[in-house]
Amino acid sequence: EPEVTQTPSHQVTQMGQEVILRCVPISNHLYFYWYRQILGQKVEFLVSFYNNEISEKSEIFDDQFSVERPDGSNFTLKIRSTKLEDSAMYFCAGRLAMNTGELFFGEGSRLTVL
Amino acid sequence: GESVGLHLPTLSVQEGDNSIINCAYSNSASDYFIWYKQESGKGPQFIIDIRSNMDKRQGQRVTVLLNKTVKHLSLQIAATQPGDSAVYFCAENNAGNMLTFGGGTRLMVKP
Repeated sequence: EPEVTQTPSHQVTQMGQEVILRCVPISNHLYFYWYRQILGQKVEFLVSFYNNEISEKSEIFDDQFSVERPDGSNFTLKIRSTKLEDSAMYFCAGRLAMNTGELFFGEGSRLTVL
Repeated sequence: GESVGLHLPTLSVQEGDNSIINCAYSNSASDYFIWYKQESGKGPQFIIDIRSNMDKRQGQRVTVLLNKTVKHLSLQIAATQPGDSAVYFCAENNAGNMLTFGGGTRLMVKP
C-alpha cells in the first residue's frame, strides 16, 4: 500500500539553526500539507500546497517557514532559524482530490530545539 | 471565531463496550466533517467522514452522527477493542484546502 514517508524521524538542533524536513508524498496525490503537533496537543495546520504554489497558510507559518517541491516528488518544509517553541512533531500529508477529507499522513518528524 | 473542539480529553471504556466520542463545532456554515484516529507515535489516520446533508453515516464498527441543530457530531465505536486505543480527532474541512483539527480525545480500552 502506498504511503507517505518522512525524514528524518527525529532531529535535534540548536536554537537559531536551519532545519529541513523532507516528505515523499503518495505519487498520485495533488494536494500537500504540513501540520505540526506540539506534544500532547492538537494537530495544527501550517500550510497547503497545490500546483507548485502555497494555497493556504496559517498564522504559524511565518517568514521563518518555507515549503518547496523541488523535484516533483519530494516536498520539504524549511525552518530558517529555529526557536524553542518550534519543538514539535511535524506531519506531512497528501490528498488525492479536493472533494475528499481523507488526508494521508506520514509518521512525522520530531523536531527538538535546544 | 470558527473552531472545532472536543468535550472530554480522556474516555475509558471496557473492552467490548461501545464508545462514544463527542465533538462540537461553532461555525454553522461548516458542511464537511471527518474523524481521524492517531495511535501513539503515528500520524493521524482517516476513519470516516460525513457531509452536512446527512445525519448519520456508518462504517465498519463505526458510526458518525451529525446534529446540525446543536452543532455537534459524535463517533460511535461498537464493541471497542484494545486496538481502538488511540487519540481521536474530529476535523472540519474549511472552504478551500484546509483541514482544521479539534483538540482530541484519548480513548483507553480496559481489558
